[in-house]
Amino acid sequence: ELKVEQNPLFLSMQEGKNYTIYCNYSTTSDRLYWYRQDPGKSLESLFVLLSNGAVKQEGRLMASLDTKARLSTLHITAAVHDLSATYFCAVDLSQGGSEKLVFGKGTKLTVNP
Amino acid sequence: KAGVTQTPRYLIKTRGQQVTLSCSPISGHRSVSWYQQTPGQGLQFLFEYFSETQRNKGNFPGRFSGRQFSNSRSEMNVSTLELGDSALYLCASSLGDSYYGYTFGSGTRLTVV
Repeated sequence: ELKVEQNPLFLSMQEGKNYTIYCNYSTTSDRLYWYRQDPGKSLESLFVLLSNGAVKQEGRLMASLDTKARLSTLHITAAVHDLSATYFCAVDLSQGGSEKLVFGKGTKLTVNP
Repeated sequence: KAGVTQTPRYLIKTRGQQVTLSCSPISGHRSVSWYQQTPGQGLQFLFEYFSETQRNKGNFPGRFSGRQFSNSRSEMNVSTLELGDSALYLCASSLGDSYYGYTFGSGTRLTVV
């Protein structure tokens, strides 16, 4: 059974600081996604990582994927309060034309002024 | 471009009743997936439909069912509701090839009393 482990699950950081969220998974997959969820809201797509070594950046967030290590990271640079949210990684188990995502438990990020 | 539309946004039902949730995917998207989100279990895959066929099913009891219509709109049904079915139900649409990722709807918040 595929396991997707995110850490930390809770992260409180000060504005202006840097930090990294880790997503480890237990089976072969070369597609991984990062989503953001605000309280009471749906999932907002942040990054689509489709191959080993993929790196994508958007504003203060940068995501990478190492399929050999089965590890993805979401790096936050110079955090601001607006980044406060819960971040999920999701491993794509689509195969044989069937689509399925397995999510980590999420990292609740709080950025304090 | 319209996003993924889920209706209703909120529902309150009594134990033992049944409920039907609706999801209209982005125009042109042929795959619809359903996920259940609870505080305890996180985000869990329910099932995925493509061109009116269920291609994948998660580990949920038979009380959970779904279908997809020729216009790609999908419905999921939960019969004999239990308190534990209280959750945010999210649907995601995609082109059918996860290469382009998934777009989630706003969700339906189901409360079973």
